[in-house]
Amino acid sequence: ELKVEQNPLFLSMQEGKNYTIYCNYSTTSDRLYWYRQDPGKSLESLFVLLSNGAVKQEGRLMASLDTKARLSTLHITAAVHDLSATYFCAVDDYGGATNKLIFGTGTLLAVQP
Amino acid sequence: GAVVSQHPSWVICKSGTSVKIECRSLDFQATTMFWYRQFPKQSLMLMATSNEGSKATYEQGVEKDKFLINHASLTLSTLTVTSAHPEDSSFYICNPSQGSTEAFFGQGTRLTVV
Repeated sequence: ELKVEQNPLFLSMQEGKNYTIYCNYSTTSDRLYWYRQDPGKSLESLFVLLSNGAVKQEGRLMASLDTKARLSTLHITAAVHDLSATYFCAVDDYGGATNKLIFGTGTLLAVQP
Repeated sequence: GAVVSQHPSWVICKSGTSVKIECRSLDFQATTMFWYRQFPKQSLMLMATSNEGSKATYEQGVEKDKFLINHASLTLSTLTVTSAHPEDSSFYICNPSQGSTEAFFGQGTRLTVV
């Protein structure tokens, strides 16, 4: 059974600082997704990582995937308050139907002025 | 990206009544529909998977007689919560899939059972 863990669960950081969120998963997969969720809202797609070594960047966020280590990271550079949200990684579970996603525990990010 | 429409956005119902949630893929055909549930401050948990024209497959611990899923067409799926109880209060999100690498989600339905 595929398990996906994120850490930290909660992150409070000051504006301008850098930090990394980690996503570990338990079985082989080479599709990993990162989403942002604002309170009361659905998911906003951030990144889709499809191969070992994939790196994608958008603004102050950069995501990478190491399929051998079963690890993805979401790096935040020079955080700003607008980045405050909950971030989820999700892994495609090939054991079931295509695109059956197993979600991580989520990381609540609070960026303080 | 693809357009997914989920309705209603929020609903409050009395205990014992049924609630139907609709999910439409507006510009693509969804061969598979995934329904997720999210309790407050928790992650998304897959409830069930359905393929167009077939019976849904439910995850362990999800009652199939309580959460009725209909996926009669490639652009519409419904989730009906029957005899709802306060513990069914949650955020329900649909994820229609056409088998591509992108995953698209509905806007979510906040269900409150009183």
